[in-house]
Amino acid sequence: SAVISQKPSRDICQRGTSLTIQCQVDSQVTMMFWYRQQPGQSLTLIATANQGSEATYESGFVIDKFPISRPNLTFSTLTVSNMSPEDSSIYLCSVDGGSGNTIYFGEGSWLTVV
Amino acid sequence: GDSVTQMEGPVTLSEEAFLTINCTYTATGYPSLFWYVQYPGEGLQLLLKATKADDKGSNKGFEATYRKETTSFHLEKGSVQVSDSAVYFCALNNAGGTSYGKLTFGQGTILTVHP
Repeated sequence: SAVISQKPSRDICQRGTSLTIQCQVDSQVTMMFWYRQQPGQSLTLIATANQGSEATYESGFVIDKFPISRPNLTFSTLTVSNMSPEDSSIYLCSVDGGSGNTIYFGEGSWLTVV
Repeated sequence: GDSVTQMEGPVTLSEEAFLTINCTYTATGYPSLFWYVQYPGEGLQLLLKATKADDKGSNKGFEATYRKETTSFHLEKGSVQVSDSAVYFCALNNAGGTSYGKLTFGQGTILTVHP
């Protein structure tokens, strides 16, 4: 199984600021995925991050708001830009375990925007 | 597009009761199906999975069978414990190819188990 570490685990942010979330995996993976879970809601895929190429964003998410970096096969960052209270969510990083179609998640970054 | 529908919650049970959480899906082709669990204050953990029709996923006393004829993947446990209190998410992956991480989630079902 893959072990995924996210930082920060929690943060309280001022509106209008930006925050970068880091995701570190203990093994090399081709694809990393970023999800958002708004309070009391299910999870929604933000984007797919491949190493060496631009991230692919899902409908409703744009690069200017959620820029993503993927500098190597074990690391990715997601930035939440110009935050508003509506961005208060859990942001989760996930990876494909590579065997038997198993997807693993980090513990999430719990952001509150005030 | 693909979708996952879970039974309305929350579900409240007494310890040792039988649990069923219904999950149905809409998807083309042959998706893989998953149940994830989120304990209070924690991230998402894979509970079990099934990758083809008639497969049964099982873990920690939970089971779910991939029923293609009814497009369902209901979660069951014969005797729940207080420690099973959590939010349960049904999900599918229909991306195929090299993109196994693009999951479509149901809305989640809150389970509370009382002593």
